[in-house]
Amino acid sequence: KAGVTQTPRYLIKTRGQQVTLSCSPISGHRSVSWYQQTPGQGLQFLFEYFSETQRNKGNFPGRFSGRQFSNSRSEMNVSTLELGDSALYLCASSLGGGGGYTFGSGTRLTVV
Amino acid sequence: SQELEQSPQSLIVQEGKNLTINCTSSKTLYGLYWYKQKYGEGLIFLMMLQKGGEEKSHEKITAKLDEKKQQSSLHITASQPNHAGIYLCGADTPTGNQFYFGTGTSLTVIP
Repeated sequence: KAGVTQTPRYLIKTRGQQVTLSCSPISGHRSVSWYQQTPGQGLQFLFEYFSETQRNKGNFPGRFSGRQFSNSRSEMNVSTLELGDSALYLCASSLGGGGGYTFGSGTRLTVV
Repeated sequence: SQELEQSPQSLIVQEGKNLTINCTSSKTLYGLYWYKQKYGEGLIFLMMLQKGGEEKSHEKITAKLDEKKQQSSLHITASQPNHAGIYLCGADTPTGNQFYFGTGTSLTVIP
């Protein structure tokens, strides 16, 4: 079966712009989580969605938001981009939450 | 919040050598997971441990969870260049709806 698909793989944006990242989970998985990975901070939890509802949120500013659609696909939006938002954004899906996650290959965002 | 500290932060070993990576939690672990990541790519699930004293092996990689469920180790026997990457431990919260990662261990295997 298909894995977790993240699009796009690479993205270059300018400070102040906004960006939307997409994640398609494994078929049947209802939980989608987002993570930000930077060299300095490591992997940090952004938020988790389950059945179109945000179940949990990490410690990120309100510029970071997300949503989940009825088909479990999820999008993450970052508004008013800052240089520090440059990172690898990883999405992971699971059946119902918990650590048995399958990760996508990530979206590498560069803010210039 | 759950904190997972990994040691060492980085490791360089000669091919064929054994190595161990540790993951220590500030709280009792309800589920401990090991992942491997190639630079700039997603995470690959390796193993999950839930019971105190549990040990699992896959090929040349063995993971253990201590009896108190606050520390886990990942042991690689006879390392090979394809073992290189970043190893991350991760843990569930008791409610299972948030997941924390360790600080990561970068492994380089020299042929």
